Amino acid sequence: EVVMTQSPATLSVSPGERATLSCRASQSVSANLAWYQQKPGQAPRLLIYAASTRATGIPARFSGRGSGTEFTLTISSLQSEDCAVYYCQQYNKWPPLTFGGGTKVEIK
Amino acid sequence: EVQLVESGGGLVQPGGSLRLSCAASGFTFSSYEMNWVRQAPGKGLEWVSYINSRASILYYADSVKGRFTISRDNAENSLYLQMNSLRAEDTAVYYCARDTAIDLWGQGTLVTVSS
Repeated sequence: EVVMTQSPATLSVSPGERATLSCRASQSVSANLAWYQQKPGQAPRLLIYAASTRATGIPARFSGRGSGTEFTLTISSLQSEDCAVYYCQQYNKWPPLTFGGGTKVEIK
Repeated sequence: EVQLVESGGGLVQPGGSLRLSCAASGFTFSSYEMNWVRQAPGKGLEWVSYINSRASILYYADSVKGRFTISRDNAENSLYLQMNSLRAEDTAVYYCARDTAIDLWGQGTLVTVSS
């Protein structure tokens, strides 16, 4: 099973500042990596797939990079509505599909 | 509108059974792979089960193998999860989810296993 590890667990960022979230895979997942945003009481929403492709309707301030085992999600200028938990997920070697433990982004 | 709507959750005693349904609309359901993903209260996301478009390939998480059964009815645009021998640790919100890079999620249905 591919284990996904996200860091940090919580990230506090001032409005307008950059937020950088990390995701590491226990083995190479190529670029088969997705990022999701989940706000309280809501279902997750796809932000990024194929490591760096924004999903439909996702603002340009969200960007993804990486391949192999190291990935990052960057929010270039944090807005209040970006406060959420962010999950990475690999779909390269499965079953099982595996998710990271999540990074909570909050406003400083 | 493209959407997935789950139903069938509720309170069930340990050892009991429950059948979840997911109604798809706004897209060609029969063309898509589907999954069930769950989230225990205050916890992260856990993949549960997968079914391909023709229902010829089924996968399960080890935690539910032998107890849960995924199925679909393409004529009815519906996905199902039959859950038997339920345990307290199965308590979670269960999401119906499209594809493996999950581009569409339902709103979820809460399953509570408790005596």
